[in-house]
Amino acid sequence: ETGVTQTPRHLVMGMTNKKSLKCEQHLGHNAMYWYKQSAKKPLELMFVYNFKEQTENNSVPSRFSPECPNSSHLFLHLHTLQPEDSALYLCASSIVGHPYEQYFGPGTRLTVT
Amino acid sequence: EDKVVQSPLSLVVHEGDTVTLNCSYEVTNFRSLLWYKQEKKAPTFLFMLTSSGIEKKSGRLSSILDKKELFSILNITATQTGDSAIYLCAVPMYSGGGADGLTFGKGTHLIIQP
Repeated sequence: ETGVTQTPRHLVMGMTNKKSLKCEQHLGHNAMYWYKQSAKKPLELMFVYNFKEQTENNSVPSRFSPECPNSSHLFLHLHTLQPEDSALYLCASSIVGHPYEQYFGPGTRLTVT
Repeated sequence: EDKVVQSPLSLVVHEGDTVTLNCSYEVTNFRSLLWYKQEKKAPTFLFMLTSSGIEKKSGRLSSILDKKELFSILNITATQTGDSAIYLCAVPMYSGGGADGLTFGKGTHLIIQP
């Protein structure tokens, strides 16, 4: 148990659906991150939140919409996704400052049909 | 653009062997280098390295950083089947805000045969 939980663990959705991924950290951290892991590609950063403020959007399409209501919770809202968005979506958290390590949740395996 | 290159991309060895995994990087503002182990889903943190020449050690795993030559190695001695995993190397992308996303390499897929 890493202290970072994600739900759901698996999700199948059609291209016209709207769904949300949830992440919660129990480590007392104040920065949270979304990453995407596609087959045969390195883990890619999507978004960074620092004390609930979005500080990075790594050129992510607008069909992905993050929300960070407080420093313990992070959401990724999904709408009108494409089949190529099928991937493992990983949430991570850390303290703010350098140096630091990031701790990852178990991920949500998303399949877009 | 920050870049992390790992080698080899895959490696198959027998139980008891020693392995060395490599990671080279090009980063605008180097702060640290991190190693993770990914077995099924969540990457689990292994080491963070910030200074050259200082070895970090945890049991059979050890890692060292060379900031002059811009690389790090991860050594695993007396390998066991439980060491089979993807080993990821990452560096923070400096943003100045104190919370930096990580740039990852493609990983080394290590398989330990009994």
